[in-house]
Amino acid sequence: GAVVSQHPSRVICKSGTSVKIECRSLDFQATTMFWYRQFPKQSLMLMATSNEGSKATYEQGVEKDKFLINHASLTLSTLTVTSAHPEDSSFYICSARILAGGPLTDTQYFGPGTRLTVL
Amino acid sequence: TQLLEQSPQFLSIQEGENLTVYCNSSSVFSSLQWYRQEPGEGPVLLVTVVTGGEVKKLKRLTFQFGDARKDSSLHITAAQTGDTGLYLCAGINTGNQFYFGTGTSLTVIP
Repeated sequence: GAVVSQHPSRVICKSGTSVKIECRSLDFQATTMFWYRQFPKQSLMLMATSNEGSKATYEQGVEKDKFLINHASLTLSTLTVTSAHPEDSSFYICSARILAGGPLTDTQYFGPGTRLTVL
Repeated sequence: TQLLEQSPQFLSIQEGENLTVYCNSSSVFSSLQWYRQEPGEGPVLLVTVVTGGEVKKLKRLTFQFGDARKDSSLHITAAQTGDTGLYLCAGINTGNQFYFGTGTSLTVIP
């Protein structure tokens, strides 16, 4: 099956620093990747949609200058949390989408997530 | 927004009991998916339902898509501790956009 990896799996940083999270599709090409934020025992909150070779589309309320997304290749998207603050501490999950011509094959494959803690 | 409300939000049951999780919306979806997520991991797809009224079974899990394709349910028979996790439904509209439900956190007590 399709595998999506994230790196790092967890990171602790000081307030004011920037953190980069990588999302890779390991055995397929993904023209579209998604970045989500999740709080404990809550659902996924879509932050942005990342399209290869173009600017990301951000959801309402998500600061594009704070959460920089780059989708430079068909297998890699990165999320950089700039000038991180404690309130940015969360679980960040990426997913890659395979569109293969019908609803039965339209599936998002999720990475294992990155736990960010900002001190 | 195409909101998907799940109920209950939290559920704690004894091993061996049955349970049902509901996923409701006022919007029609082309298809609906159910995911299970364990702590510290990403969600894993359990099933996709496409046709109104469709029922799919996955061992002790039974998934049903409403006739009008606005709602769905997940029924677990004889719950086991390994069923513990966060269950998420996700509706996919005709524009291929995903909308995740509000989530149901299930704890199965031994």
